[in-house]
Amino acid sequence: AQKITQTQPGMFVQEKEAVTLDCTYDTSDQSYGLFWYKQPSSGEMIFLIYQGSYDEQNATEGRYSLNFQKARKSANLVISASQLGDSAMYFCAMREGRQGKLIFGQGTELSVKP
Amino acid sequence: GAGVSQTPSNKVTEKGKYVELRCDPISGHTALYWYRQSLGQGPEFLIYFQGTGAADDSGLPNDRFFAVRPEGSVSTLKIQRTERGDSAVYLCASSLSSRANTGELFFGEGSRLTVL
Repeated sequence: AQKITQTQPGMFVQEKEAVTLDCTYDTSDQSYGLFWYKQPSSGEMIFLIYQGSYDEQNATEGRYSLNFQKARKSANLVISASQLGDSAMYFCAMREGRQGKLIFGQGTELSVKP
Repeated sequence: GAGVSQTPSNKVTEKGKYVELRCDPISGHTALYWYRQSLGQGPEFLIYFQGTGAADDSGLPNDRFFAVRPEGSVSTLKIQRTERGDSAVYLCASSLSSRANTGELFFGEGSRLTVL
């Protein structure tokens, strides 16, 4: 069964510094997708970045990059040049195959200090 | 509107009552998902529709929970004989299902259910 683990309940980072949020996953499928979502205190879930299991390059979207290490089954999110508006809950999620449900981790609460 | 719309945004009910939560997905999105999120937790999968049919209902916790999507667009999550433990934010999401995209989920703002 698929499983997502986020071991950092809370993280602090200084404004303008980079931060890495950890995510490990477990699946027996060869084809899967990995997602990161941001959930500010207002509650909406905002899609950040996607990595397919067959993608050879690490995904990047602006200040977000995904450090994908397939052999270690990890998909860490790196946020560069943190901003105060980055303070939020961050969820890692996985989907087996090309369609279907996403399974979410427990989340990491990121606080950016001025 | 352009996004996923959920109503009501807040619902307070008494233990034992029946509740309906509605989701209007993004136009053209064939896949629709229901999740439940308790405070401090990640979203927990409930059910997923592809068109009108439930493709995966493995997350429904018991037979008090039921969802429909009769015309392949709007969906209703129905909870019978509500219990205090059903209190949570119920999130709806939709996505395009095609091989040409990542299939990321677009979420609504949620319906906060409180059972007294």
